[in-house]
Amino acid sequence: GEDVEQSLFLSVREGDSSVINCTYTDSSSTYLYWYKQEPGAGLQLLTYIFSNMDMKQDQRLTVLLNKKDKHLSLRIADTQTGDSAIYFCAERLYGNNRLAFGKGNQVVVIP
Amino acid sequence: DAGVIQSPRHEVTEMGQEVTLRCKPISGHDYLFWYRQTMMRGLELLIYFNNNVPIDDSGMPEDRFSAKMPNASFSTLKIQPSEPRDSAVYFCASRTSSGGAVEQYFGPGTRLTVT
Repeated sequence: GEDVEQSLFLSVREGDSSVINCTYTDSSSTYLYWYKQEPGAGLQLLTYIFSNMDMKQDQRLTVLLNKKDKHLSLRIADTQTGDSAIYFCAERLYGNNRLAFGKGNQVVVIP
Repeated sequence: DAGVIQSPRHEVTEMGQEVTLRCKPISGHDYLFWYRQTMMRGLELLIYFNNNVPIDDSGMPEDRFSAKMPNASFSTLKIQPSEPRDSAVYFCASRTSSGGAVEQYFGPGTRLTVT
């Protein structure tokens, strides 16, 4: 079954890099996603990675996937105050329409 | 496109009352999902529809919860009778059925408080 684990809270200074981690249990995941939730809003897709990739870079965002350890990370370079939010990782299994979400990491950017 | 539209944005009701949450998916999307978010349990999938047909309702907590999708542009989630433990933010999301990563687009949510 699907089980996605995330740590809860991260504080980072503006301009530094922040790294958010996630582990998942199901090796048949096809896509892994990072969503961002700002206060009072719904979730917004930031980026995703296909399970046969190790890394994906998208502007300030870098996603790393370690399939052996079932570990996913999101690095945000040059963190800005607008990056303060809750970040969710999610996995989608092959042939499945459901997404399994982690509980989210709250990131607070200190000016 | 206006995105996924949910109403109301906030709902405060007393225990035992009926609550109806509404969702309008993005035009052309044929999948619709209802989620519940709480601090304790995170984001839980309640039910999802494909082409207006419920496909998986295994996440619906109990018989007090029901969801309908009478047409491609409207869905409701009803709680009757409501209880304080139903207090949460309820999200609706929609997506297309095209292949690939297929992003789910979330609405802004309805914050439900049951007193």
